Amino acid sequence: EPEVTQTPSHQVTQMGQEVILRCVPISNHLYFYWYRQILGQKVEFLVSFYNNEISEKSEIFDDQFSVERPDGSNFTLKIRSTKLEDSAMYFCASSEAHQPQHFGDGTRLSIL
Amino acid sequence: AQKITQTQPGMFVQEKEAVTLDCTYDTSDQSYGLFWYKQPSSGEMIFLIYQGSYDEQNATEGRYSLNFQKARKSANLVISASQLGDSAMYFCAMSPGSDSWGKLQFGAGTQVVVTP
Repeated sequence: EPEVTQTPSHQVTQMGQEVILRCVPISNHLYFYWYRQILGQKVEFLVSFYNNEISEKSEIFDDQFSVERPDGSNFTLKIRSTKLEDSAMYFCASSEAHQPQHFGDGTRLSIL
Repeated sequence: AQKITQTQPGMFVQEKEAVTLDCTYDTSDQSYGLFWYKQPSSGEMIFLIYQGSYDEQNATEGRYSLNFQKARKSANLVISASQLGDSAMYFCAMSPGSDSWGKLQFGAGTQVVVTP
């Protein structure tokens, strides 16, 4: 069964550094998403992406965040200057139109 | 604004028993989707079941069924014949049915522990 893959599984970064989280969505999916889950808290929507542009973003997704689909298979989330409060599990998801989203296994981001 | 409420922070259930996880929602949208996801201790998010707001029949997927009561705005998950592997956090989520169909809003989750 096709799946969403995320790399790395765990990323440790110094505060203030840039980090790029990578995702390979399911190949025939057209809608892509990023969510985050701070330890012990609920899953929060960050951004949705369709047709090479952001469809919607939350208030969490400020100027420090950006997304990109650099080629036909990858979908990345970049955090420009990380803060301690960016420590969380980041999930990528993808879907077909009006279909449930399928999530990757997540990247655990730890900011030191 | 939309809101998802899961009032049960944690539940114990015996193996082979059925368990119902509560989820209520609040939305002014006419069209929306309701979802349940499972998050084992390993952290991944696994899609379980989906119910559209216009679906008249309750959704079922194997041992999972969704008890959808639109007038009461509830979408409870029923897991029949619980197995030890069902121990996990369970999240109810909703997406609006209009232009931003995809954005999922999650509840706080219910931790289920299945005991032998």
